[in-house]
Amino acid sequence: DGGITQSPKYLFRKEGQNVTLSCEQNLNHDAMYWYRQDPGQGLRLIYYSQIVNDFQKGDIAEGYSVSREKKESFPLTVTSAQKNPTAFYLCASRYSGGGDYEQYFGPGTRLTVT
Amino acid sequence: DQQVKQNSPSLSVQEGRISILNCDYTNSMFDYFLWYKKYPAEGPTFLISISSIKDKNEDGRFTVFLNKSAKHLSLHIVPSQPGDSAVYFCAALFNAGNMLTFGGGTRLMVKP
Repeated sequence: DGGITQSPKYLFRKEGQNVTLSCEQNLNHDAMYWYRQDPGQGLRLIYYSQIVNDFQKGDIAEGYSVSREKKESFPLTVTSAQKNPTAFYLCASRYSGGGDYEQYFGPGTRLTVT
Repeated sequence: DQQVKQNSPSLSVQEGRISILNCDYTNSMFDYFLWYKKYPAEGPTFLISISSIKDKNEDGRFTVFLNKSAKHLSLHIVPSQPGDSAVYFCAALFNAGNMLTFGGGTRLMVKP
């Protein structure tokens, strides 16, 4: 059963701590993405990766870091430098070949930092 | 500066009637548009898309219309069902790129 998994569903951290959000896909997609959603707002792109060992900053990369050591995995670290880390985080992936541009999303992780 | 805007934060429709969700964009370089549906605390699910070379794309109850001259697209849902109640996002990209630009979403409520 192919899809994108994000864990955990809910995550709580104290201010000043780094936290890593997991994203795994078994869709054999080349590209992977991290978005953030705040209440009442649309999705904003944090980072994306088109191939293994390569990634690019999105619109709001400050305070975040990523790695892409495997095609299936694209973890996101929310560092203590991120000023407003509490948000709903969404991972997505896309097949880069052909004419399909749809990104497929995971279920999300809600991070609360107090 | 928001390049993709959904000016109606919410829309209420009676079951069986048509729902029309609107989206405006400012960047004329956008050449592909997508609509996503999102339930609370879940990831968005892809609904339907349209390339800028077309002005209409239909998939079952869902039809997307694109008016390039007005930089406007709309999603029509006919007939609307209570299960359609969700937040709908339009998104745009250009040059087959990676960066989807999302609108702020419209919350659709379909009343039985």
